[in-house]
Amino acid sequence: KQEVTQIPAALSVPEGENLVLNCSFTDSAIYNLQWFRQDPGKGLTSLLLIQSSQREQTSGRLNASLDKSSGRSTLYIAASQPGDSATYLCASDDGGSQGNLIFGKGTKLSVKP
Amino acid sequence: GAGVSQTPSNKVTEKGKYVELRCDPISGHTALYWYRQSLGQGPEFLIYFQGTGAADDSGLPNDRFFAVRPEGSVSTLKIQRTERGDSAVYLCASSRTADDTIYFGEGSWLTVV
Repeated sequence: KQEVTQIPAALSVPEGENLVLNCSFTDSAIYNLQWFRQDPGKGLTSLLLIQSSQREQTSGRLNASLDKSSGRSTLYIAASQPGDSATYLCASDDGGSQGNLIFGKGTKLSVKP
Repeated sequence: GAGVSQTPSNKVTEKGKYVELRCDPISGHTALYWYRQSLGQGPEFLIYFQGTGAADDSGLPNDRFFAVRPEGSVSTLKIQRTERGDSAVYLCASSRTADDTIYFGEGSWLTVV
């Protein structure tokens, strides 16, 4: 069964710093991988979706990469801002059911002004 | 509406009672998902609908949990004989197709006392 791990569990950086969040998964036979943002007490907001045939996706200051062979994905945030403070979750399917997403526990990011 | 809508937003119920949680997906989205999230954890898959049928219900923890989507739009998650361990945030999500970006609702916070 697919397992998704996120490192670090928490991260605190000063405003303006570039940062990388890591996600690893055990089963490389995936359809896609998604990164989400969750604010306290809120639902999840989709940030980036990477199809299995893609290597990366970009949206504004965010860039997500996918290396299926090594079972890794990274989310790069450029020029971090206090408004980026949230929990970031990655999720992938297990290759058997596209609708069954397996989530990591998330990385809680705090950007200090 | 523009997003996924869930009702109620909060529900407190007594142990042993029956609970229904409702989800209105984004119009036109054929795929609908239910997840459950406990504090400090990533969302845990419960069930996924493609149209009216449950394409994958492998995440339902036991036979006290049941979900329906009779007309391929609104879905109801039903929990019988609630237990204190059922307390969590129940998240609903939808997507145009199973391999498309997933949009989450704000969740229904269930507390069983």
